[in-house]
Amino acid sequence: QKEVEQDPGPLSVPEGAIVSLNCTYSNSAFQYFMWYRQYSRKGPELLMYTYSSGNKEDGRFTAQVDKSSKYISLFIRDSQPSDSATYLCAMSGGSNYKLTFGKGTLLTVNP
Amino acid sequence: DGGITQSPKYLFRKEGQNVTLSCEQNLNHDAMYWYRQDPGQGLRLIYYSQIVNDFQKGDIAEGYSVSREKKESFPLTVTSAQKNPTAFYLCASSIITGAIQETQYFGPGTRLLVL
Repeated sequence: QKEVEQDPGPLSVPEGAIVSLNCTYSNSAFQYFMWYRQYSRKGPELLMYTYSSGNKEDGRFTAQVDKSSKYISLFIRDSQPSDSATYLCAMSGGSNYKLTFGKGTLLTVNP
Repeated sequence: DGGITQSPKYLFRKEGQNVTLSCEQNLNHDAMYWYRQDPGQGLRLIYYSQIVNDFQKGDIAEGYSVSREKKESFPLTVTSAQKNPTAFYLCASSIITGAIQETQYFGPGTRLLVL
């Protein structure tokens, strides 16, 4: 079983839709969770960072962590064509500086 | 502007040739990292460094070498021993507090192709 599982998609939605992106993990030591957005042929940029179970909201983005189920989600409200990108989840077990990434989900938001 | 720069944007390697990818940061970050990304794959850690003159192997270090002679620079050499070097290479950096996992910030990447 891989440490981090992420559905690669592709996921295609109409503009204005609510998007749900998910990752599951097997390592119970993971306690820091991040979502990165990566446009084609660019470096990833950090969207959300959280370290506790529950929800964290930032504008149209909400990160959700359920440590008991080892499941994290990223919700995008009122999706825009500019949200079209690959979304990578990443997590770590502490201050060991090593992030473990999911494979990424390719999202397309159609105008 | 503070940030991470990588050069070149594209790099072509001939068989048996060593090539070096540059990574520079002016964020005054302590830690620097090199990742490899293949199509449809997540990022895999090659090497990382927490302090000048020290570095550790990541998950896929074979065929690669690094140096950390200056805090702001962390070049990666892809040696001829790396048999499948075609990939997108990403450099990242972060501060170190020792207490929690700090955010890693990424450069724009270098795409390496084999001729």
